Amino acid sequence: NAGVTQTPKFRILKIGQSMTLQCTQDMNHNYMYWYRQDPGMGLKLIYYSVGAGITDKGEVPNGYNVSRSTTEDFPLRLELAAPSQTSVYFCASSYKRGGDEQFFGPGTRLTVL
Amino acid sequence: KNEVEQSPQNLTAQEGEFITINCSYSVGISALHWLQQHPGGGIVSLFMLSSGKKKHGRLIATINIQEKHSSLHITASHPRDSAVYICAVRGMDSNYQLIWGAGTKLIIKP
Repeated sequence: NAGVTQTPKFRILKIGQSMTLQCTQDMNHNYMYWYRQDPGMGLKLIYYSVGAGITDKGEVPNGYNVSRSTTEDFPLRLELAAPSQTSVYFCASSYKRGGDEQFFGPGTRLTVL
Repeated sequence: KNEVEQSPQNLTAQEGEFITINCSYSVGISALHWLQQHPGGGIVSLFMLSSGKKKHGRLIATINIQEKHSSLHITASHPRDSAVYICAVRGMDSNYQLIWGAGTKLIIKP
């Protein structure tokens, strides 16, 4: 099993550009999460999903969108990138609800200039 | 005030030392997690606790629900233990979300 995979690993965007961060898991987990990690700060939840077709906002959803058309995939869309979205983005999944062990992808380092 | 506080923020120690990292929280919880973030950025789960103590190799995690406090101990520390250690809690009122500490950066010198 590959676990949780994310692409790309690194990306530089110009202000106003858009992009999609890809996340795929092969563990048949129902729950998936997108976090951002700013330097020296804890993880902040952007969006989460409890199953295909069901998504909900986390702590910091503004400027982002998600979709969950399959159990495996949970892409994160950035529209009109802003410098404040410069961060490291982690995708995670868990078999059960949020209190259970979460498995993390390797992260995507995004810089918006 | 953050709901999950870790101390110390940074810790440098010599190889072989006994290490303690603390996590205090202010909300009622149903579970507490300890995770490790490697220098390359990857995050792995170490422990999930709701009471008592768990041990895995040289790592020991304890929790005191009444005191709202957890500790992560590393025995016979090694330079490969150098990482950021993160505490996260699942609040009683939360179905899906974890409340994250800011992490403790540990450096073990040979």
